[in-house]
Amino acid sequence: SQQGEEDPQALSIQEGENATMNCSYKTSINNLQWYRQNSGRGLVHLILIRSNEREKHSGRLRVTLDTSKKSSSLLITASRAADTASYFCATVNQAGTALIFGKGTTLSVSS
Amino acid sequence: GAGVSQSPSNKVTEKGKDVELRCDPISGHTALYWYRQSLGQGLEFLIYFQGNSAPDKSGLPSDRFSAERTGGSVSTLTIQRTQQEDSAVYLCASSRWGQNYEQYFGPGTRLTVT
Repeated sequence: SQQGEEDPQALSIQEGENATMNCSYKTSINNLQWYRQNSGRGLVHLILIRSNEREKHSGRLRVTLDTSKKSSSLLITASRAADTASYFCATVNQAGTALIFGKGTTLSVSS
Repeated sequence: GAGVSQSPSNKVTEKGKDVELRCDPISGHTALYWYRQSLGQGLEFLIYFQGNSAPDKSGLPSDRFSAERTGGSVSTLTIQRTQQEDSAVYLCASSRWGQNYEQYFGPGTRLTVT
């Protein structure tokens, strides 16, 4: 089964609103990463948060990590139409050889 | 600098034919990964290269799938006797050292088996 599971599966908001996506995972981690995918093609790395960090910021992005609950959240503030994309969390697999991605949250931002 | 490139961007093939998908990683990146993404699904890990060797090929779905990497650079994913269920976007990613670092993805190859 997937290591990371995003919630909600789909989210529709208006420009200027904040968008929050959640990710739950199953095993212990060294870090957790968030990626964005536009139009079903290549993914773009957004942010990496290490297991000893609780919160990290990058521009309009804020990521939190709660290792006790095995969960992370991605907050996009003041969303724009260009933020419309699918967002995935990813953690390292048990073998320590690759990233395991959830099915993603599809975000639609309308103007 | 140049990012990860993949070719072809789209490939339509008939069932039973063999296909080769190519990935050019970022120069100097030792780790290379292949993933597959079916419509509306997350990414499915296929194989991981460190240099020219593949420490983990556990994600390859059948023996019709193989991959190689030469010169610590270019990688080729080969699918023999393609089936309709092989239709997907095949994504390649590279990373400077390994899986605990950010991965840089190529634009993908959309494979359609008719």
